[in-house]
Amino acid sequence: EAQVTQNPRYLITVTGKKLTVTCSQNMNHEYMSWYRQDPGLGLRQIYYSMNVEVTDKGDVPEGYKVSRKEKRNFPLILESPSPNQTSLYFCASSLQETQYFGPGTRLLVL
Amino acid sequence: GENVEQHPSTLSVQEGDSAVIKCTYSDSASNYFPWYKQELGKRPQLIIDIRSNVGEKKDQRIAVTLNKTAKHFSLHITETQPEDSAVYFCAASWRTGFQKLVFGTGTRLLVSP
Repeated sequence: EAQVTQNPRYLITVTGKKLTVTCSQNMNHEYMSWYRQDPGLGLRQIYYSMNVEVTDKGDVPEGYKVSRKEKRNFPLILESPSPNQTSLYFCASSLQETQYFGPGTRLLVL
Repeated sequence: GENVEQHPSTLSVQEGDSAVIKCTYSDSASNYFPWYKQELGKRPQLIIDIRSNVGEKKDQRIAVTLNKTAKHFSLHITETQPEDSAVYFCAASWRTGFQKLVFGTGTRLLVSP
């Protein structure tokens, strides 16, 4: 089954404790993105990747890092999480225009 | 950079009525405009999209129109049904490969039986 998976789905952490949210797709898509969704603000792009080792900043990259060492994986790294990074995070992948979203990761930073 | 405004933020209609959601964009270079539907607790899913070389596109009860001169595009849902209740997001993109998507803030559509 073609899909985008994210782990964990839910995470509660404390300020400053490094965390990684994984994203994996089995559709051999070149493009992958990370978004955060906040009430009243819609979906905002954090980072995107056009291929292995090729990444670029989206609209809200501050406080986040990404890597693309393999085509199927695109982890999101928060090296020192802060409460303002509490949000719902979505990973997405695409071959061309249509972006396929993962199930989301709800993060709470205390 | 690109900015996408979406209105209204909430929309309530009776079953069978039509619903229209409007978006405006700022960058005239934008050339791809998708619409996503997000049901409660679920992921966004593409329902329809349009490119800048097309003025209108239909898919059963859903249609999207694009006015490049005015820089706005709209989603039209006819004969609404309760299962159309969801949050709808418009988006715009201008990068090659359409990866630089900027989303609107969403419209919560409620269809009452």
